[in-house]
Amino acid sequence: GAGVSQSPRYKVTKRGQDVTLRCDPISSHATLYWYQQALGQGPEFLTYFNYEAQPDKSGLPSDRFSAERPEGSISTLTIQRTEQRDSAMYRCASSLGRLAEETQYFGPGTRLLVL
Amino acid sequence: AQSVTQLDSHVSVSEGTPVLLRCNYSSSYSPSLFWYVQHPNKGLQLLLKYTSAATLVKGINGFEAEFKKSETSFHLTKPSAHMSDAAEYFCVVSEGNSGYSTLTFGKGTMLLVSP
Repeated sequence: GAGVSQSPRYKVTKRGQDVTLRCDPISSHATLYWYQQALGQGPEFLTYFNYEAQPDKSGLPSDRFSAERPEGSISTLTIQRTEQRDSAMYRCASSLGRLAEETQYFGPGTRLLVL
Repeated sequence: AQSVTQLDSHVSVSEGTPVLLRCNYSSSYSPSLFWYVQHPNKGLQLLLKYTSAATLVKGINGFEAEFKKSETSFHLTKPSAHMSDAAEYFCVVSEGNSGYSTLTFGKGTMLLVSP
């Protein structure tokens, strides 16, 4: 597609519920990243994919968080048994490759509020 | 480990006056450096990037930044502010020593532009 898209844009859920966030990257991009951005902070790395492989999950805060990209394109981020501290903006980015100088293109984000 | 410090959480300028947003970084390797801008309800947009070529980097909308290795700085400047520049700006460092790009964001600087 023309840019990175994310859905939903806003999600309100109750504590304990599961949520799934979706990211649709730029179609030619091999690499996809997920970030979490708390209010007043910069985005923080959660995980990334190179095609369908997920080489690094080190940023995921707990085992309640998981992500997948089964066909190397669209990715989902799932948070199980949500907690209030999970409330944040979740951002997805994609890039052509994995090099440090590659530009990452960001989607508009999904704002999650856990009540 | 890499880190970024944005020295000002808020900067206020009048329209038509110069803009200076300060950023210092720490990196164990030769880093790539980026400035991203975030307008309300929009995704993060790349302003400019430094990737070990020219130390003075020109970006979009009249912004530029100078990489100073001796000072570990990458300050963002613009000669004349416009009302449309009001947004949040993030300084970002990327090392890539782990085989992929890991972006570390600063906490952001909110630029306020008054008429």
